[in-house]
Amino acid sequence: NAGVTQTPKFRILKIGQSMTLQCAQDMNHNYMYWYRQDPGMGLKLIYYSVGAGITDKGEVPNGYNVSRSTTEDFPLRLELAAPSQTSVYFCASSYDSFYGYTFGSGTRLTVV
Amino acid sequence: AQKVTQAQTEISVVEKEDVTLDCVYETRDTTYYLFWYKQPPSGELVFLIRRNSFDEQNEISGRYSWNFQKSTSSFNFTITASQVVDSAVYFCALRIRNQGGKLIFGQGTELSVKP
Repeated sequence: NAGVTQTPKFRILKIGQSMTLQCAQDMNHNYMYWYRQDPGMGLKLIYYSVGAGITDKGEVPNGYNVSRSTTEDFPLRLELAAPSQTSVYFCASSYDSFYGYTFGSGTRLTVV
Repeated sequence: AQKVTQAQTEISVVEKEDVTLDCVYETRDTTYYLFWYKQPPSGELVFLIRRNSFDEQNEISGRYSWNFQKSTSSFNFTITASQVVDSAVYFCALRIRNQGGKLIFGQGTELSVKP
């Protein structure tokens, strides 16, 4: 099993550009999450989804959008990139609301 | 409100020393889970342990042990006879049922084990 696959692994964006971070899981998990990790900080929740067609905001949703059209995919869209969005982004999935997460390997994004 | 506090930002030890990483959590929920994750320099997040709120038994796995005390809302992690490969950032996290079962992370403790 591939688990949770994130692409790309690295990306440099210019201020004002847009991009989509891809996340796919093959474990038939209903719950999926996007977190960002800033240097020296813990992970903060951007958006989450409890099933296809259902998404909700986390702690730091501003500047991001998500969609969940299938169980497998949970892309994160950055519109009008800003330097404050320079971070490492982790996607995760979970079988239900109490099992542990399976994390992707992360996407390191730099906005210049 | 739910919160996880890891008061130790950085810890440095010499190989073979024992080290304890502290974790204090806050929640009003009676049902919750606690986790520890390891983030080595390569950056991935590695699951170490999950504990539910109804099970206060301590757990030992090799050189790792965990002490869960509901009375003090603490879930501490001890590494016995530390090794250089233990050098990493360690995160404690709390998971509750509502809000999509999100994980609430502490800020992490960076452990450096020197030879």
